[in-house]
Amino acid sequence: EDKVVQSPLSLVVHEGDTVTLNCSYEVTNFRSLLWYKQEKKAPTFLFMLTSSGIEKKSGRLSSILDKKELFSILNITATQTGDSAIYLCAVEGGTYKYIFGTGTRLKVLA
Amino acid sequence: NAGVTQTPKFQVLKTGQSMTLQCAQDMNHNSMYWYRQDPGMGLRLIYYSASEGTTDKGEVPNGYNVSRLNKREFSLRLESAAPSQTSVYFCASKHPSSYEQYFGPGTRLTVT
Repeated sequence: EDKVVQSPLSLVVHEGDTVTLNCSYEVTNFRSLLWYKQEKKAPTFLFMLTSSGIEKKSGRLSSILDKKELFSILNITATQTGDSAIYLCAVEGGTYKYIFGTGTRLKVLA
Repeated sequence: NAGVTQTPKFQVLKTGQSMTLQCAQDMNHNSMYWYRQDPGMGLRLIYYSASEGTTDKGEVPNGYNVSRLNKREFSLRLESAAPSQTSVYFCASKHPSSYEQYFGPGTRLTVT
């Protein structure tokens, strides 16, 4: 059965800290891995990864995929209170099939 | 350009009642999806529609029906609501050339 596992489940840090969020997967017909940020309502897209070893960056956020070891990490440097959210990892496992992890709840304290 | 819209935002139902959740997108996307999100469970796919006129079951379809009314609209119906269907429901859409799904704001449904 396809599954996506995220860790840790929750995390509390102080502003300025660096955090690493993990996503491991066992999904047949892997096509892509996506990261989303969910604040109060709808998830919003952060990154899409398809190739191993190629880092995607957007400001203080970066992500990389390892298709051999079947995991991805999301790094956030110099965290801010606005980074507080649930971070979701999803794997596209075949056409129209998206498997989501349970998410990591990040709280950044001022 | 409103993106993906959902109605209602909140709903309380009694066990056995029926209702339809509405979803519409104005981005001319072909595929649309219904998910439910429960604490500790992540997002789980209920149904999806690859294009107008087609629908398929996802991971947790039991107790739900869907209609792809046209390219813009994709509705989710609960025929006889059960407490186990208490959840937050998200609709999403995607363009065929993109990997990104765009999500609506969600409907929080409580079944008592």
